[in-house]
Amino acid sequence: ELQVVESGGDLVHPGGSLRLSCAASGFIFSSYWMHWVRQAPGKGLVWVSRIDSEGSRTTYADSVKGRFTISRDNAKNTVFLQMNSLRTEDTAVYYCVRAVRELYFDYWGQGALVTVSS
Amino acid sequence: DIHMTQSPSSLSASVGDRVTIICRASQSISNYLNWYQQKPGKAPKLLISTASSLQSGAPSRFSGSGSGTDFTLTINSLQPEDFATYYCQQSHSTPITFGQGTRLEIE
Repeated sequence: ELQVVESGGDLVHPGGSLRLSCAASGFIFSSYWMHWVRQAPGKGLVWVSRIDSEGSRTTYADSVKGRFTISRDNAKNTVFLQMNSLRTEDTAVYYCVRAVRELYFDYWGQGALVTVSS
Repeated sequence: DIHMTQSPSSLSASVGDRVTIICRASQSISNYLNWYQQKPGKAPKLLISTASSLQSGAPSRFSGSGSGTDFTLTINSLQPEDFATYYCQQSHSTPITFGQGTRLEIE
């Protein structure tokens, strides 16, 4: 069964750091680009970042550029999101998502809640 | 950035109704337009990809059309399980952007 499962969500103070992990199974992980999409409480979906299948190319939303880093370990079928200098506006559920040929997102994880608050 | 605008933002309808949701892009995106359904507390689910391709497992009462800047999602004969929030998303260029969502409620 194809699955993507996020972990690492937590409560963190403004200015703090957190690393999210996303473990994938049931498909050839190294063949797919992976993305992170977030959703603040009661709000819409916002794209955060993506990484190519080899881990050599990354792209970020302006709102997180310079603070967040996406990476992957294809040997462990895992993608990561390192989040530094966190702000209250980063509070959201973070979804790990598989992209098909960079055209659409066909599998979403259940989400990891990140709360940034003092 | 490509801005995606959905209308209406909310919609009330009854079981059995036909509803249409519109998504407009701020510039041409060809057919790089996808539709997702999200229910409360759940992850979004892909319904339609590349404007009109129904995803495997999605009911045939869902259909999508459009190209360029104007797109529609149509749901024929609404079922109780269709009451949810729907998002369009462009994959033409980064940053990838979503519409603000259309909340479909029971009338």
